[in-house]
Amino acid sequence: DAKTTQPPSMDCAEGRAANLPCNHSTISGNEYVYWYRQIHSQGPQYIIHGLKNNETNEMASLIITEDRKSSTLILPHATLRDTAVYYCIVRVFDQTGANNLFFGTGTRLTVIP
Amino acid sequence: NAGVTQTPKFQVLKTGQSMTLQCAQDMNHEYMSWYRQDPGMGLRLIHYSVGAGITDQGEVPNGYNVSRSTTEDFPLRLLSAAPSQTSVYFCASSYLQGNSPLHFGNGTRLTVT
Repeated sequence: DAKTTQPPSMDCAEGRAANLPCNHSTISGNEYVYWYRQIHSQGPQYIIHGLKNNETNEMASLIITEDRKSSTLILPHATLRDTAVYYCIVRVFDQTGANNLFFGTGTRLTVIP
Repeated sequence: NAGVTQTPKFQVLKTGQSMTLQCAQDMNHEYMSWYRQDPGMGLRLIHYSVGAGITDQGEVPNGYNVSRSTTEDFPLRLLSAAPSQTSVYFCASSYLQGNSPLHFGNGTRLTVT
């Protein structure tokens, strides 16, 4: 699976959009981009994933560049409860179906009142 | 719907002791896995299973055993605990088909003295 690079930390003002970047310059054509977050010491929580097209759900939007070498997770109106570590992961969905994810160290997002 | 349940939440062991970390899910997920998380690091995959009777090694399997006798349960065994196994352990599950998101438990915090 391709390696990802994320900034170690970011701050965002409450109510503003949080834009979390991820670089995955070695991504291959059949690799998906996934985002998870981990609030305090809880288990990671799935946010969103995509292959080529931009995606949006009730939690966030995922913008993938046309060359797929980078992506941005957008939390449109950050709240204090969005303070967490955000992980960007790329993986191939292989034939076994094994959902093995390889986590990096992520970006620690702090939402400031 | 309980999701992924891990027990115990906390455990202290002496070096050389054995124990089993329990993981159960009630979502009829075929895939289950165990991760460990050390301070300041991302999650690392220990073992995984794509169905009852099938297990395989992940990134850091040494010192751990698993079995999958039922779809619901995926226990992790430490046969002879070592201080290097002090960590937070997370169990996760998902469906095999499609890009099914991983559901995580809330973790077991293990200290080996």
